[in-house]
Amino acid sequence: KAGVTQTPRYLIKTRGQQVTLSCSPISGHRSVSWYQQTPGQGLQFLFEYFSETQRNKGNFPGRFSGRQFSNSRSEMNVSTLELGDSALYLCASSQAQRGANVLTFGAGSRLTVL
Amino acid sequence: DQQVKQNSPSLSVQEGRISILNCDYTNSMFDYFLWYKKYPAEGPTFLISISSIKDKNEDGRFTVFLNKSAKHLSLHIVPSQPGDSAVYFCAASSGGSNYKLTFGKGTLLTVNP
Repeated sequence: KAGVTQTPRYLIKTRGQQVTLSCSPISGHRSVSWYQQTPGQGLQFLFEYFSETQRNKGNFPGRFSGRQFSNSRSEMNVSTLELGDSALYLCASSQAQRGANVLTFGAGSRLTVL
Repeated sequence: DQQVKQNSPSLSVQEGRISILNCDYTNSMFDYFLWYKKYPAEGPTFLISISSIKDKNEDGRFTVFLNKSAKHLSLHIVPSQPGDSAVYFCAASSGGSNYKLTFGKGTLLTVNP
């Protein structure tokens, strides 16, 4: 069973540019969540999608957005990049059934903003 | 406002000894707690979890203890092995919405041979 796949793994952008990151969840998993990890911080929740709908959103500015497609694949977009957006962006999928559930994470996309 | 705190950024232990990683939380609505392990250049991997209706959960060398009154949980690894060297994240969720986890900042565990 393939895991969560994130592309690209590494990318470098300059301030003011925008970036799109992609995530393919585990087959059968309908929920996709995104997290940001920065040095010295834990993982911070960005948003979660289920059946193409955003169900929950963390405390991030509107420059951060996402979407989910009918095949459960998800993308997140960051516009007008700032230096502070340099981070590891992690995607996680789950079956999203009620009750105890476990997120399975991808390896992440490491974004460097110069 | 950090709702999940891991106050020890790092911990060093000898192989074969016990590793104890600690985590405190402030949100009394949290009812499910998880530990994830992360190696460099990889995503976090699930290790063990515990529901708030329990105070202990074991899985092989890993045991998680939950003290609800103190809002504290700990992860015990016995015996510790060099391959356990990684960053360990404590995470919590509430209300069945387990897709939204609140993470601590992590503790780097180093197990020395």
